[in-house]
Amino acid sequence: DAKTTQPNSMESNEEEPVHLPCNHSTISGTDYIHWYRQLPSQGPEYVIHGLTSNVNNRMASLAIAEDRKSSTLILHRATLRDAAVYYCILRDEMNYGGSQGNLIFGKGTKLSVKP
Amino acid sequence: KAGVTQTPRYLIKTRGQQVTLSCSPISGHRSVSWYQQTPGQGLQFLFEYFSETQRNKGNFPGRFSGRQFSNSRSEMNVSTLELGDSALYLCASSSTRRLLRQFFGPGTRLTVL
Repeated sequence: DAKTTQPNSMESNEEEPVHLPCNHSTISGTDYIHWYRQLPSQGPEYVIHGLTSNVNNRMASLAIAEDRKSSTLILHRATLRDAAVYYCILRDEMNYGGSQGNLIFGKGTKLSVKP
Repeated sequence: KAGVTQTPRYLIKTRGQQVTLSCSPISGHRSVSWYQQTPGQGLQFLFEYFSETQRNKGNFPGRFSGRQFSNSRSEMNVSTLELGDSALYLCASSSTRRLLRQFFGPGTRLTVL
């Protein structure tokens, strides 16, 4: 399985942008990059996903490096509610079946937001 | 639409007992996956069902089993409980076979004494 590397923790100030990095040097051509987050005492929630191009939605932006070996989740204005563990996950969407078709969570990055 | 619901939310059992957890996916979703979350191992995939068929299984012993009903509701069962089975058990549903986006429930907190 392709692996991801994320910092264990990051801190941010409220209302400032946050850039959460993820390295995935062994990514394959058919791996999609997914981001999920888990707020305290809740199940994970989907944030965003992408393949090659940068992606934006109402929650965040995903910036993908040209060689796809790294990506960055961008929260444009952090709020206290954004304090959570953020997971960067690779999933082979083209070869669905077997263990490749499921979300494999790493340790994630614990984001703290200071008021 | 109502989200993914899991029952019960909390459960206390003793070693050797068995337990059944229930998951109701979002209406219209046909895929249900189960995950175990512990402080030491993090989130680990247990198994996934699509249209009543188990499609994938994680690396867990045979004591862990599941099934899916025709209405897409799913149950997982753990027999002969061990202390190490204490965990948060999460269910996720998806509308597509390719699981591009999974919706997670709040989980069932199982404590084994």
